[in-house]
Amino acid sequence: GAVVSQHPSWVICKSGTSVKIECRSLDFQATTMFWYRQFPKQSLMLMATSNEGSKATYEQGVEKDKFLINHASLTLSTLTVTSAHPEDSSFYICSARPGQGGLGNQPQHFGDGTRLSIL
Amino acid sequence: GENVEQHPSTLSVQEGDSAVIKCTYSDSASNYFPWYKQELGKRPQLIIDIRSNVGEKKDQRIAVTLNKTAKHFSLHITETQPEDSAVYFCAASPPWSNTGKLIFGQGTTLQVKP
Repeated sequence: GAVVSQHPSWVICKSGTSVKIECRSLDFQATTMFWYRQFPKQSLMLMATSNEGSKATYEQGVEKDKFLINHASLTLSTLTVTSAHPEDSSFYICSARPGQGGLGNQPQHFGDGTRLSIL
Repeated sequence: GENVEQHPSTLSVQEGDSAVIKCTYSDSASNYFPWYKQELGKRPQLIIDIRSNVGEKKDQRIAVTLNKTAKHFSLHITETQPEDSAVYFCAASPPWSNTGKLIFGQGTTLQVKP
């Protein structure tokens, strides 16, 4: 159980293109999903917390107009990188936590990640 | 906010030896501490976690200890095998974020030599 699916796994596109990444919880409902960015040989940097039915909460330094997050249902969150440029190239990973609300003591389950390359 | 420091950044052991990775956290109110294993190009996978009301937890060759007073927790892997080679991340969950937000350590690259 607790499977998270992320698509696409790999994207190569031209500078200026907008790219949408989907994150789905397949066998559980997730009020909250998380979006991370990971540079090579580095840790997971939380970009934003995606809340079903409300606005995402962005971490300091993350441009909310650049990284649009939509959490339209209890099983789907999307991250859109708008007008992507080479510096946006990275590995983006989503995660979801089963359950709704409560204390932050439930495991997060990760998707396979999306490798984004902007030419 | 919460800050998590992880050491060492790299660790090399002989197959069969034990490996220990340590993390410290800054927010004494943090109450949940998971450990993730990430193989190259793959998703982080939860391998063990511990909550603040427990001092130690074990699952076969893997154990985690928590010292709330000192604000540090450690991952112990015994009888290491080559397939244990990966990057390991610790994390802490501050309670002021009731969404379950995790703050990750910098990661430890573990190499188990056959």
